[in-house]
Amino acid sequence: EVQLVESGGGLGQPGGSLRLSCAASGFTFSNYAMSWVRQAPGKGLEWVSLISGSGDSTFYADSVKGRFTISRDNSKSTLFLQMNSLRAEDTAVYYCAKEVLSGTYYGSGWWGQGSLVTVSS
Amino acid sequence: QSVLTQPPSASGTPGQRVTISCSGTSSSIGSNTVNWYQHLPGTAPKLLIYRSNQRPSGVPDRFSGSKSGTSASLAISGLQSEDEADYYCAAWDDSVNGRVFGGGTKLTVL
Repeated sequence: EVQLVESGGGLGQPGGSLRLSCAASGFTFSNYAMSWVRQAPGKGLEWVSLISGSGDSTFYADSVKGRFTISRDNSKSTLFLQMNSLRAEDTAVYYCAKEVLSGTYYGSGWWGQGSLVTVSS
Repeated sequence: QSVLTQPPSASGTPGQRVTISCSGTSSSIGSNTVNWYQHLPGTAPKLLIYRSNQRPSGVPDRFSGSKSGTSASLAISGLQSEDEADYYCAAWDDSVNGRVFGGGTKLTVL
């Protein structure tokens, strides 16, 4: 069974950094592109970033470009999101998600339960 | 402001058929396939439709998707109380080289 377990959330200072991790199991991790999607309090879903299965290609929303970095360790089946220069508007539940089909970008077919990030002084 | 436009709310009675629309642009829906997600508060979102009209295994055939030009729609037939949730469309947008979501539609089962 596919499992995605996020960790690393919590309270971050404005201008500070946090690193999210997502431990994956139940599928061949390196075959699938992975994404981070967030939901701010009272708001809708917002796509944050996507990384290809090999890690060679990365994509970012304009709202986080230059501040966040997505990466993966295929040997450990783990996805990361390094968040720097945090802002109050980055406060959200962050979901790790796996693409529905291997080798494609057709949509996030499996999601973790989410990790809450709060940016406040 | 979301790049894909959805109505903020929709409603129907049990057994009824409801549709939710999603309007995009030539660089998003006009050039790429559409996903639809169901999201209940406090839970992980669930993929209902990918490649505009394909259902992942386990999704009931009461849910169907379609796309025409720069718009897409999700239809739910035989509406059930457990269908009450937020629904989001999403698509790749070539102009921003990233995935974009609609603002979401809150479906109420009366």
